[in-house]
Amino acid sequence: DADVTQTPRNRITKTGKRIMLECSQTKGHDRMYWYRQDPGLGLRLIYYSFDVKDINKGEISDGYSVSRQAQAKFSLSLESAIPNQTALYFCATSDRGTQHFGDGTRLSIL
Amino acid sequence: AQSVTQPDIHITVSEGASLELRCNYSYGATPYLFWYVQSPGQGLQLLLKYFSGDTLVQGIKGFEAEFKRSQSSFNLRKPSVHWSDAAEYFCAVVSRTGANNLFFGTGTRLTVIP
Repeated sequence: DADVTQTPRNRITKTGKRIMLECSQTKGHDRMYWYRQDPGLGLRLIYYSFDVKDINKGEISDGYSVSRQAQAKFSLSLESAIPNQTALYFCATSDRGTQHFGDGTRLSIL
Repeated sequence: AQSVTQPDIHITVSEGASLELRCNYSYGATPYLFWYVQSPGQGLQLLLKYFSGDTLVQGIKGFEAEFKRSQSSFNLRKPSVHWSDAAEYFCAVVSRTGANNLFFGTGTRLTVIP
């Protein structure tokens, strides 16, 4: 089983819909991150969390929110999806500087 | 501010040939550097990392990278490429802010021809 699991793997939705992307980990790491990947731009940080009570905005947090339900779970929400949020989304955990990534969620907003 | 530059968007090599992927960073102190590989439809797999010590780092799948402070570079190399190495490769540096997130380059796509 994967150490960092993202669900769903793929999602197509319509503009204006609320959508939640989920991430769970079995690595026991406190630090968790959400990134988005766009062609030609690499990965950019959306939000990060150092524990369940510590959540912080990243470089591109506008239009997104997160919830850290437990040490093992970190969810990303799009309250009202728009087409330019179409991207590949990655969750990661971190331990002593090394990040471990899930397989990603490919999100398409029509 | 920290940044990572991967000058080559796309590289094509023949199977069995040697490979070097370039990475330059801007950091201002001793960086923590990484190379990740992303196969189609897959997540990011860590190939190798440099924190300190020996500047030539060995990774998985036969890859190595050399940290050169004078050139602000961390180039990835492999002596003989296999068809299964076709993927996108990302260089990254750990942020100096409290987030400790990774700053990524824009990636280099590797095509391997028979």
